[in-house]
Amino acid sequence: GQQLNQSPQSMFIQEGEDVSMNCTSSSIFNTWLWYKQDPGEGPVLLIALYKAGELTSNGRLTAQFGITRKDSFLNISASIPSDVGIYFCAPRGSGNTGKLIFGQGTTLQVKP
Amino acid sequence: DAGVTQSPTHLIKTRGQQVTLRCSPKSGHDTVSWYQQALGQGPQFIFQYYEEEERQRGNFPDRFSGHQFPNYSSELNVNALLLGDSALYLCASSFGEGGYEQYFGPGTRLTVT
Repeated sequence: GQQLNQSPQSMFIQEGEDVSMNCTSSSIFNTWLWYKQDPGEGPVLLIALYKAGELTSNGRLTAQFGITRKDSFLNISASIPSDVGIYFCAPRGSGNTGKLIFGQGTTLQVKP
Repeated sequence: DAGVTQSPTHLIKTRGQQVTLRCSPKSGHDTVSWYQQALGQGPQFIFQYYEEEERQRGNFPDRFSGHQFPNYSSELNVNALLLGDSALYLCASSFGEGGYEQYFGPGTRLTVT
C-alpha cells in the first residue's frame, strides 16, 4: 500500500521560532493537502497544493509540492502559542479518487 | 456559512451492537467522505459517497456501510461492533466527484465496551 513518512514526529519550540516539517512517499500524488488538528476536534484545512513545484502561502504558513510529486513540506514562520496542535499531510492520488492518505502527524508544542 | 456538522458528539456502545452516525455537509458541497481516526493515528479513509452512491471504499470490512440522502447528508452504520471500532469518526465534505478539498466536521467519538 501507499506509505507516508511524516517528520518530525514531534517538535517543542520557543514562541517566535520558525518551524519546518515534511512528508515523503514512494508513491506519486497529484494533490497535497495540509491539515491542523486540535485535540478532540476535526482536522482543519490549511493549504492545498495541486502542481509539482507549487509554492503556496497562507499567512505565516508556506507549503510546497515537491518536484518529484512524492513529497511536500510545510513551514510556519514566527510561531505563536495557538500554533500548537497536530499537523497532517494528506496527499491524494490520481484520477477521481477521493481518498486522502494521512501521515502520522507532527505534534507541535510552542513555549511562550 | 454552515460548516460540516456531525451527530452525536459522543456515543458509548457494547460489543455486538450496531451504531449509526450522521453527517451534514458544508453548504454547497455534494460529496461526503468518512474516516476513522484511532487514538494517536492519522485518519483512515472508510468510503466516499457521491450522487447517493458509494464511489470508493478503503480497507474496511462490510460491517461498515453508509448511505447518502438526496439533500447530500450521510450516515455511517457499523454492525457487530468490536472493541477495536472505538475511535473518532470523521466526516468530510467536498464538491464534485473525487472531492479535491475536503472539509472535516468535529467528529463523533465512539467508545465500544
